[in-house]
Amino acid sequence: AQSVTQLGSHVSVSEGALVLLRCNYSSSVPPYLFWYVQYPNQGLQLLLKYTSAATLVKGINGFEAEFKKSETSFHLTKPSAHMSDAAEYFCAVSESASKIIFGSGTRLSIRP
Amino acid sequence: EPEVTQTPSHQVTQMGQEVILRCVPISNHLYFYWYRQILGQKVEFLVSFYNNEISEKSEIFDDQFSVERPDGSNFTLKIRSTKLEDSAMYFCASSEAQNGIYFYNEQFFGPGTRLTVL
Repeated sequence: AQSVTQLGSHVSVSEGALVLLRCNYSSSVPPYLFWYVQYPNQGLQLLLKYTSAATLVKGINGFEAEFKKSETSFHLTKPSAHMSDAAEYFCAVSESASKIIFGSGTRLSIRP
Repeated sequence: EPEVTQTPSHQVTQMGQEVILRCVPISNHLYFYWYRQILGQKVEFLVSFYNNEISEKSEIFDDQFSVERPDGSNFTLKIRSTKLEDSAMYFCASSEAQNGIYFYNEQFFGPGTRLTVL
């Protein structure tokens, strides 16, 4: 069965600092992996996706994530945090079926 | 750019009442989904729908829930007798096809309907 674990329900970084949001997955087949962002009172926006091509995936707003099969990880990074990055981030997995399984989310706060 | 739309953006109802949440998927998409997010919690899969029938549903999607594609454009989620715990944000999504082992089909999400049950 597929599942996603996000380590840290809340991460706080200073503006300009590195952002690292951790995600580990469990899947019985090569998975599709995603990061979604949700701003307050808004819907889900796809940040980036891994679909078995390059293991380093670049997304919008300067975010990227690296698929590491040996570690079953798909951590999200951004070299320099901006105030506008403050939001809830969800890691998600999907196998060769329809549904997307979401992690519990990590709230990212940016300190001035 | 085509997008999934949902109406209403916010629905308030009394416990025990029936509600219908509406979605207009992207026009050439064939697969439709409902997800929900209880406040402060993660997004949960409810149901997927293809060719006028449910293709998969979660344990959350019990007999109180039903889905329908009443015409060529709308996709609805009905909750027959709402409970307090049904209060959540409900997201509709659509995709051209299902994922395969070697190919991926992106799900596009709507902005959500916030359901408040009093």
